[in-house]
Amino acid sequence: EPEVTQTPSHQVTQMGQEVILRCVPISNHLYFYWYRQILGQKVEFLVSFYNNEISEKSEIFDDQFSVERPDGSNFTLKIRSTKLEDSAMYFCASSRQGVAYNEQFFGPGTRLTVL
Amino acid sequence: DQQVKQNSPSLSVQEGRISILNCDYTNSMFDYFLWYKKYPAEGPTFLISISSIKDKNEDGRFTVFLNKSAKHLSLHIVPSQPGDSAVYFCAASVDNAGNMLTFGGGTRLMVKP
Repeated sequence: EPEVTQTPSHQVTQMGQEVILRCVPISNHLYFYWYRQILGQKVEFLVSFYNNEISEKSEIFDDQFSVERPDGSNFTLKIRSTKLEDSAMYFCASSRQGVAYNEQFFGPGTRLTVL
Repeated sequence: DQQVKQNSPSLSVQEGRISILNCDYTNSMFDYFLWYKKYPAEGPTFLISISSIKDKNEDGRFTVFLNKSAKHLSLHIVPSQPGDSAVYFCAASVDNAGNMLTFGGGTRLMVKP
């Protein structure tokens, strides 16, 4: 069964450093998303991406964040200058186009630890 | 932001009995609802969904009920199995494909053998 994959599974970085989190969505999916979950808190939406552009973003997704689909398979989230409060699990998700219902399929997550 | 709430942080059920997980929402624009199951160190796994045009959707042991007037949905698992032990999240979205999901805080279900 096709699944969303994410690398790395765990990323440790120093405050102020740039990190890139990588995702390979399900191959026939055309909508892509990033969510995060800070320890003990809810899963929060960051950004959605369709047709090579951001379609929606939350207040969390400020100028320090960017997303890119550099080739036909990868979808990346970049944090330019990490802060301590960026420490969280980051989940990538994808969904199909043309379906009536918004079933999003999630990857296993990347645990980001900012020291 | 409490647009989607799961008021029970945990639920313990005996194997073979029914598990009922509840979820409330406040945004009347939500018209599509999903339940996800999450194990530690894994991403949320899609379980079942329901559109606002329905009040019930069933898939095997899992049934989701939607009460639009009360802005309430519930997930029934029957019979419950020990492998069902996980955190269950309800999520909601406006309209259809491509829109963000708003998640509840989750309910940890423990099914005892």
